[in-house]
Amino acid sequence: DSGVTQTPKHLITATGQRVTLRCSPRSGDLSVYWYQQSLDQGLQFLIQYYNGEERAKGNILERFSAQQFPDLHSELNLSSLELGDSALYFCASSHDNYGYTFGSGTRLTVV
Amino acid sequence: DQQVKQNSPSLSVQEGRISILNCDYTNSMFDYFLWYKKYPAEGPTFLISISSIKDKNEDGRFTVFLNKSAKHLSLHIVPSQPGDSAVYFCAASVEGGSEKLVFGKGTKLTVNP
Repeated sequence: DSGVTQTPKHLITATGQRVTLRCSPRSGDLSVYWYQQSLDQGLQFLIQYYNGEERAKGNILERFSAQQFPDLHSELNLSSLELGDSALYFCASSHDNYGYTFGSGTRLTVV
Repeated sequence: DQQVKQNSPSLSVQEGRISILNCDYTNSMFDYFLWYKKYPAEGPTFLISISSIKDKNEDGRFTVFLNKSAKHLSLHIVPSQPGDSAVYFCAASVEGGSEKLVFGKGTKLTVNP
């Protein structure tokens, strides 16, 4: 157990739908990062939050949004889902910038 | 534009031999580098890191070498074990900065018994 909890582990949904992925960071970590791993792709950075505020944005689609709550857990919202959004979504947390602790990911399948 | 490149999608070695995984980067601002290991159905886990003030860092069977002039780093695993079979990701960042880690696409290592 890495200490970073992601739910759900698996999600199957239809095109056009909206889903929410949840991440609880490791205790004491203020930063949360979201990454997407598609087939044959590396880990693509989506967005970072630090203590409730957006810190950095990567290749995140306008259909996607995220937030970090006062208890530091984070949610990634994916809407108007397309087949190409099927991927593994990882959340990571860190206390500083010297390395992340990753959760085990949410596998999203859009059918 | 990929700032961190792992040009070998896969690597196969025999148990007991050396595994060498390579990584190149283009952004000269990067000064902190990490390797992560990922098993199927699990998240990546931190393996070893190196700061740009060093050219080598060793941790047990794992050694990372950094060649700043060539913008190249490599991970050596000696001796390789079947349990090392996983996908290895190279990552880079600006030390002490607020920038996120930039990852390569990964190299799948298979260690054959």
